[in-house]
Amino acid sequence: AQTVTQSQPEMSVQEAETVTLSCTYDTSENNYYLFWYKQPPSRQMILVIRQEAYKQQNATENRFSVNFQKAAKSFSLKISDSQLGDTAMYFCAFMKRRATGSYQLTFGKGTKLSVIP
Amino acid sequence: NAGVMQNPRHLVRRRGQEARLRCSPMKGHSHVYWYRQLPEEGLKFMVYLQKENIIDESGMPKERFSAEFPKEGPSILRIQQVVRGDSAAYFCASSPRQGSINEKLFFGSGTQLSVL
Repeated sequence: AQTVTQSQPEMSVQEAETVTLSCTYDTSENNYYLFWYKQPPSRQMILVIRQEAYKQQNATENRFSVNFQKAAKSFSLKISDSQLGDTAMYFCAFMKRRATGSYQLTFGKGTKLSVIP
Repeated sequence: NAGVMQNPRHLVRRRGQEARLRCSPMKGHSHVYWYRQLPEEGLKFMVYLQKENIIDESGMPKERFSAEFPKEGPSILRIQQVVRGDSAAYFCASSPRQGSINEKLFFGSGTQLSVL
């Protein structure tokens, strides 16, 4: 079974600064996908960024980028130029294809990020 | 194109009652996932359905929980004889077709179930 660990329950960052959220995972699979989701107080789950395990290049989406270390099974999220709207819970998630054909996400427990004005 | 719609947004039930949670996937999506989020936890997979079929229910509790996705109408997650431990946020996500990792899962805003 896959496990996803987020070791930072809470973090804070000053507006306009950079913050890195940590995520490690455990799997014996070789082909899989990793995601970061944002959950603001509205409870909506918003996809921030995704990474295919077979790609060596780190994914980037505007101010969001990842540091994917496959051998170390590490997948951290860097948020540059933090904005007040980035305040939310951030969940790291692992996805692989099951024998049933479904793709299940396994989530970490989340990191609560607060951006301070 | 409306997103994934879940209702009700909040549902309060007393112990022993039934809870019915509804999910209308995005237009054109025929595959639905249900996830449960307990307090202070990440989401956990419950069940994966396509129209009129349950594909994977490995995350569903064996008793009291059931799910359906009829040919017409929304997907329903049904919890019979609710207990306090069922209190959680229940999320639905949809995708256009089975087995395509390139498709993003689109999540609804969840139903918060509170059992008194």
